[in-house]
Amino acid sequence: KQEVTQIPAALSVPEGENLVLNCSFTDSAIYNLQWFRQDPGKGLTSLLLIQSSQREQTSGRLNASLDKSSGRSTLYIAASQPGDSATYLCAVRMTSNYQLIWGAGTKLIIKP
Amino acid sequence: EAGVAQSPRYKIIEKRQSVAFWCNPISGHATLYWYQQILGQGPKLLIQFQNNGVVDDSQLPKDRFSAERLKGVDSTLKIQPAKLEDSAVYLCASSRPRLLGNTIYFGEGSWLTVV
Repeated sequence: KQEVTQIPAALSVPEGENLVLNCSFTDSAIYNLQWFRQDPGKGLTSLLLIQSSQREQTSGRLNASLDKSSGRSTLYIAASQPGDSATYLCAVRMTSNYQLIWGAGTKLIIKP
Repeated sequence: EAGVAQSPRYKIIEKRQSVAFWCNPISGHATLYWYQQILGQGPKLLIQFQNNGVVDDSQLPKDRFSAERLKGVDSTLKIQPAKLEDSAVYLCASSRPRLLGNTIYFGEGSWLTVV
């Protein structure tokens, strides 16, 4: 059974720092992996999607990497801003049944 | 394009009462999902529709939850009777058919408090 873990559960850093959020999964038979952002009281917004054959994806200040063999993905945020404060969730789509399996998220606070 | 629409945004009910949530997906999206998200946890899939057919409802508590998508467009999720542990946000999402490499789009959620 696939398990997706995000550590730490919460993170607080000063504005301007570069930071890395982690996502690990136990079953490497994934179709793709997605990173989402959730603001308080809001739904989820997709940030980046990495296909199983890809190693990384970039969008602006965000870079997501994928290492299937080690069951890990990282979301790198460059030059963090207070507006980046949110909960970040990763989800893997299984190859076998195309289900999305979610992590519990990392709550990120960027201090001005 | 318009996003996924959900209503109501907030609902407070007493236990044993019933509640219904409505979702209108993005136009042209054949796949519709209902998720339950409890505070501090990731979303849990309740039911997935492909057009008006059910693809996956394995985690839907069928003794109290029901969902329908009669015309393959908008959908309703009902809870009857509600329990305290049903307090959560109910997220509706949609995606294009058979393009699993594409992302899914979420609505802003319907927040339920059962007292």
